[in-house]
Amino acid sequence: GAGVSQSPSNKVTEKGKDVELRCDPISGHTALYWYRQRLGQGLEFLIYFQGNSAPDKSGLPSDRFSAERTGESVSTLTIQRTQQEDSAVYLCASSPFGLAGILPYEQYFGPGTRLTVT
Amino acid sequence: GQNIDQPTEMTATEGAIVQINCTYQTSGFNGLFWYQQHAGEAPTFLSYNVLDGLEEKGRFSSFLSRSKGYSYLLLKELQMKDSASYLCAVRRTGGGNKLTFGTGTQLKVEL
Repeated sequence: GAGVSQSPSNKVTEKGKDVELRCDPISGHTALYWYRQRLGQGLEFLIYFQGNSAPDKSGLPSDRFSAERTGESVSTLTIQRTQQEDSAVYLCASSPFGLAGILPYEQYFGPGTRLTVT
Repeated sequence: GQNIDQPTEMTATEGAIVQINCTYQTSGFNGLFWYQQHAGEAPTFLSYNVLDGLEEKGRFSSFLSRSKGYSYLLLKELQMKDSASYLCAVRRTGGGNKLTFGTGTQLKVEL
């Protein structure tokens, strides 16, 4: 079946503008995650949605960052008043279950959106 | 907080064996994952360990020692296509299924 998709694949924006990034998870996956990956760095957790529970926003770096998800479908990550340090690849992942148990519940990643703030 | 440490870079020869180490410090450990990421591509799942010991999957194996906060990924019969970044990630109890990633180990396979 189809994997996780993200759009746009690339986004160049001017400092101070708002951007919206989209993620379409694998159908039936109840959990959705956003990560950020700066050049040469590891993945940095941003936010995590599990079903209808309140999202875990503990990784959002500032109040300029927000995300929404409608049910178990599409999610959008919004960055307001972008700064140059926001330049990174934003990766979305989904998994079948959100609860941590003995099973791996591996995360399936999308191709990412490369954001460049000029 | 959590600390996850991996070597930044490694180089190995085609056909050889390479071991990529990962050490972590975390409370409430609930599993360790290895992902492979080729340049410009999304990470893909390689292995998962939650109990001590070795998990083997084809050319790839992963080992975990919870008491030592240590894992390694073992790649056998290296191929050129194994050149990639290898990411170690830890899951914690009470954290749902979110992962904390190390910075990754860039592996270069040479002839």
